[in-house]
Amino acid sequence: GAVVSQHPSWVICKSGTSVKIECRSLDFQATTMFWYRQFPKQSLMLMATSNEGSKATYEQGVEKDKFLINHASLTLSTLTVTSAHPEDSSFYICSANSGGTYEQYFGPGTRLTVT
Amino acid sequence: GIQVEQSPPDLILQEGANSTLRCNFSDSVNNLQWFHQNPWGQLINLFYIPSGTKQNGRLSATTVATERYSLLYISSSQTTDSGVYFCAVERVGSNYKLTFGKGTLLTVNP
Repeated sequence: GAVVSQHPSWVICKSGTSVKIECRSLDFQATTMFWYRQFPKQSLMLMATSNEGSKATYEQGVEKDKFLINHASLTLSTLTVTSAHPEDSSFYICSANSGGTYEQYFGPGTRLTVT
Repeated sequence: GIQVEQSPPDLILQEGANSTLRCNFSDSVNNLQWFHQNPWGQLINLFYIPSGTKQNGRLSATTVATERYSLLYISSSQTTDSGVYFCAVERVGSNYKLTFGKGTLLTVNP
C-alpha cells in the first residue's frame, strides 16, 4: 500500500513558539492531503484539506492563522502551529490518497506537547 | 454533516473469541474504511470497503451501503488485536473528507 511519513514523530516546545510538522507521501503523488487532530481517548477530527498549489481549506472552528498549511509539492504538506499554547498539545495526523482512488493512507502522527 | 456511530464503544474478549464491530452512517458514501489504531497511534488500514464483502486473514468486513451500515468481523482474536478500531466514511460530494466514528476499544486478554 501507499506510504505516508511524518516528521517529527514527537516534539516538545515552549509556549509562544512555532512548530512545523511535515507530511510526505513516499511512493505516490498526492494532490490533496488532510490534517487531523486527535485528543487523548477521542476520535480524529479533520482540521483542514491541503491542496497542492493552492490555499488550504479549513474546517469550521479551526483558526487558519494559528495552523498554517503549505502544500508546496505533490509529495509534501506542512502544518505550522504558530504561537503554540498548552491547549494546542495534541496528536496531529496527516493523510493522503493516491490519485484515482478514494482510499486514504495515514501518517504515523506527531505528538506535540507545549509547555 | 454525516453521522457515524460505532458500537460497542468497548469490548473485552478472551483470546480465541470472535467479535463483530458495527458502524452505522447517516448518508450515502463514496468511501468507507476500517482502521486499527495501534498503541503508538498509527492508523493501520484494514479495509477500504464502500460496499460488498472483503476478507483478509482473520478479519473480514461487510458494507451494506443501501442500509448504511458496515460490520467488521474478527475471528480467533489475539492479544495483538487489542487497540481502537475506527470506521471512517466519506459522504458523497464531500471532496474526499473522511468523518470518523468514535471508535471501539477492543481488549483481548490472554
